[in-house]
Amino acid sequence: NAGVTQTPKFRILKIGQSMTLQCTQDMNHNYMYWYRQDPGMGLKLIYYSVGAGITDKGEVPNGYNVSRSTTEDFPLRLELAAPSQTSVYFCASRHRGLETQYFGPGTRLLVL
Amino acid sequence: GNSVTQMEGPVTLSEEAFLTINCTYTATGYPSLFWYVQYPGEGLQLLLKATKADDKGSNKGFEATYRKETTSFHLEKGSVQVSDSAVYFCALAHNAGGTSYGKLTFGQGTILTVHP
Repeated sequence: NAGVTQTPKFRILKIGQSMTLQCTQDMNHNYMYWYRQDPGMGLKLIYYSVGAGITDKGEVPNGYNVSRSTTEDFPLRLELAAPSQTSVYFCASRHRGLETQYFGPGTRLLVL
Repeated sequence: GNSVTQMEGPVTLSEEAFLTINCTYTATGYPSLFWYVQYPGEGLQLLLKATKADDKGSNKGFEATYRKETTSFHLEKGSVQVSDSAVYFCALAHNAGGTSYGKLTFGQGTILTVHP
């Protein structure tokens, strides 16, 4: 049981490049979330999903896109990377009937 | 809207010292409250939680009591260890008639360093 896994662990992008951050969970959780963590700040919600085929915006969705074609996977897409997207990105999941969210180890992204 | 405010950090303590990390919140309705901990190089993991007023969450010697009258959820531990060195996040889960989907609002985090 691996829990929530994220790839890559670290990536450097040039301005304007695109990339996909991968997130997979093996706990059969309905709900999944993407957060970003900026230095000295708490985590802010980017997007979330309540099940396959259903996604919705969080607090800071601009510049990102998501999809949820399966229960297990919830990739986050950056189309035109900007320096403001330099951050640490965390994926999380939870079961519909329980409150505890389980987090992945994070992806550190640097946009230069 | 909902918000969480944690005490300014970082916090540096000697082993066996008493720890308090303050957390206050602003929310409509009756949120659930959480403390998450992030050890170096790892993701966040739940430390403890409380779902209603006057509930006390506890785990690994840490405690926090949901105080609705002061809108607070302060984290305490009587005797910290070097292994407690980590970043601690206070968070609340929106409860809005079942449509909040468990979205969390986090405080800014408090870095705790414990020296031998």
